[in-house]
Amino acid sequence: DQQVKQNSPSLSVQEGRISILNCDYTNSMFDYFLWYKKYPAEGPTFLISISSIKDKNEDGRFTVFLNKSAKHLSLHIVPSQPGDSAVYFCAASALQISSGSARQLTFGSGTQLTVLP
Amino acid sequence: EPEVTQTPSHQVTQMGQEVILRCVPISNHLYFYWYRQILGQKVEFLVSFYNNEISEKSEIFDDQFSVERPDGSNFTLKIRSTKLEDSAMYFCASRWGTGVTQYFGPGTRLTVL
Repeated sequence: DQQVKQNSPSLSVQEGRISILNCDYTNSMFDYFLWYKKYPAEGPTFLISISSIKDKNEDGRFTVFLNKSAKHLSLHIVPSQPGDSAVYFCAASALQISSGSARQLTFGSGTQLTVLP
Repeated sequence: EPEVTQTPSHQVTQMGQEVILRCVPISNHLYFYWYRQILGQKVEFLVSFYNNEISEKSEIFDDQFSVERPDGSNFTLKIRSTKLEDSAMYFCASRWGTGVTQYFGPGTRLTVL
């Protein structure tokens, strides 16, 4: 099951520069996309989301871009800080009438971001 | 800020034993979930729960698994007869009625020996 893919297992950037994390999906029924950050021994922490009716959503240093035709989204972090070092998960959700809008999340495999001081 | 809590943080059990993992979702949230992450693998959906019943479950969630909301605050996952392959991090999550964002607990690491 590869409905959500994060092809880069790791990414290193210098402090102050831009971090770009990528995610691809195959299921056209996905209508919401979310990014989570995860530190070791902790649960995923919600960062930012985007609806499929938008192509961009911004929250402080974090911006998510959605390209529906390419089934691709990306998370931009500007400027990157050492505290941003974590695993970043892309997740997607589809409205399924049969399950009463349960909206399970389908996760990618994650990208380990390391921000170097 | 409200958060999802989970107990215990680490559970060690023998194969074939029953385990119960506990979660306290964010109050006023209506949807509750269990996910698991086997070491080195993706976070996988197990089950969703709404209005005191299962609304969706994955293929992983077989007859060995059950969920319950025994009172107004707790949400539990029971594994009746644990297998070695059940060893994983188990995450509880909850969300409000509208919106899609799920908020996750810190997880319970289950080790089956």
